[in-house]
Order: sequence, then structure tokens, then C-alpha cells
Amino acid sequence: GAGVSQTPSNKVTEKGKYVELRCDPISGHTALYWYRQSLGQGPEFLIYFQGTGAADDSGLPNDRFFAVRPEGSVSTLKIQRTERGDSAVYLCASSLMPTTTDTQYFGPGTRLTVL
Amino acid sequence: KQEVTQIPAALSVPEGENLVLNCSFTDSAIYNLQWFRQDPGKGLTSLLLIQSSQREQTSGRLNASLDKSSGRSTLYIAASQPGDSATYLCAVLSGGYNKLIFGAGTRLAVHP
Repeated sequence: GAGVSQTPSNKVTEKGKYVELRCDPISGHTALYWYRQSLGQGPEFLIYFQGTGAADDSGLPNDRFFAVRPEGSVSTLKIQRTERGDSAVYLCASSLMPTTTDTQYFGPGTRLTVL
Repeated sequence: KQEVTQIPAALSVPEGENLVLNCSFTDSAIYNLQWFRQDPGKGLTSLLLIQSSQREQTSGRLNASLDKSSGRSTLYIAASQPGDSATYLCAVLSGGYNKLIFGAGTRLAVHP
């Protein structure tokens, strides 16, 4: 079966522009997570969806970042007025249920470069 | 605030050696601990998941132990191979049924 997919794999944009990053979770997974990984660091939590709702968005760095999951499947991470410090790999993960026994399955990530 | 630290940051060994990677965390109130593997340009692959009530998990040449009271976990890799070269990340599920908190990883290179 297909794993978590993310598009685009690479995105280069200019400072100040708007970008959208897409995540397709594993079919049937109700929980979806976004993380951000800077060079040489581990992933940092951004936001968690249970179904269509954002159950925890405490990791979003500021109000330029927003994410949606309107039908409880595909999710889009939106970044407004991008800054050079937003450059990182954005990882999406999904799990069947948000329990302590279910592992999170990660996609390959989108590498965002802000010039 | 939960913090996860991994030592060493990088490791280079000849093929065939047995390896120990270390992970420590500051708050022992965790639900589980997971070890992931990350290859360049790719996502994370889960290797082992240890529930907070467990002491260890094994999968093939990999063995992970958990000492929750001391805030430590080790990943043991037996008879290392060049194909084991990757970054190994430790993460704890803490503070909620959703948020994995990661260490910075150990970059492993196994040379023939």
C-alpha cells in the first residue's frame, strides 16, 4: 500500500511570497501531524489533526503559518510572507489513531528554500 | 519542558562492529520511546517502539532498551553493515497522545 506522500518534494521561493505544502496521509489514518526539520536537527512538532480539526497547533511558530484538513484526509500547510528562517524540510506523518501504541508514519518531506 | 539529547552526534566505524547509540530525556513522564532511521533526502522509518511499561524491544540485529526512571535509552546494533549508514533519531511521546519530541540524531557511517 502507498505510504505518506508529500508534494512538492522541493520548493524554492522568494522572501515575502506565499507557499502551500501538501500531504496525503495513508488511507484510513485519522491522525495527521506536521513537523519541521532544520539542518542538523531533529524534527520539531508544528500541528496535529484528529479528523478535520486541529487538535493541537501549539508548535506553529507564528500566525504566518496555517494548516487545514477540510475532509479529514489531505492536509495543506500554508505559509504567508515567507522569511529566510522558514527554510527547512517540512515533514508530514500520519497514524491510524493517536494512541501510545500506534507509530507515526512519515512522508519524504518537502524541502523549502526561501531566498 | 521535555528535552531529548543524543550522544554521539556522529560515529564512523568499520563493518562488523557492535554499536551503542545513546538517548537521554529530561522528563520521565513519557508514554513511549521510539527509534527512527533517516536516510538522506528521505523521511523517517520507525525501527523500534518501546512502551513506557516495557524495558526493551528487539528487531533483527537491533535492540533498544529503556530505563524510564533514569531517562535513558540505548540502541544496540549488532554486526554493523554499510547499509546501516544513516541518521538515527530517538523520540519520546510526552505531554499528549500526539507530540513526538526528537533528539538531534546520531549520524552513523559504517565503512567496508
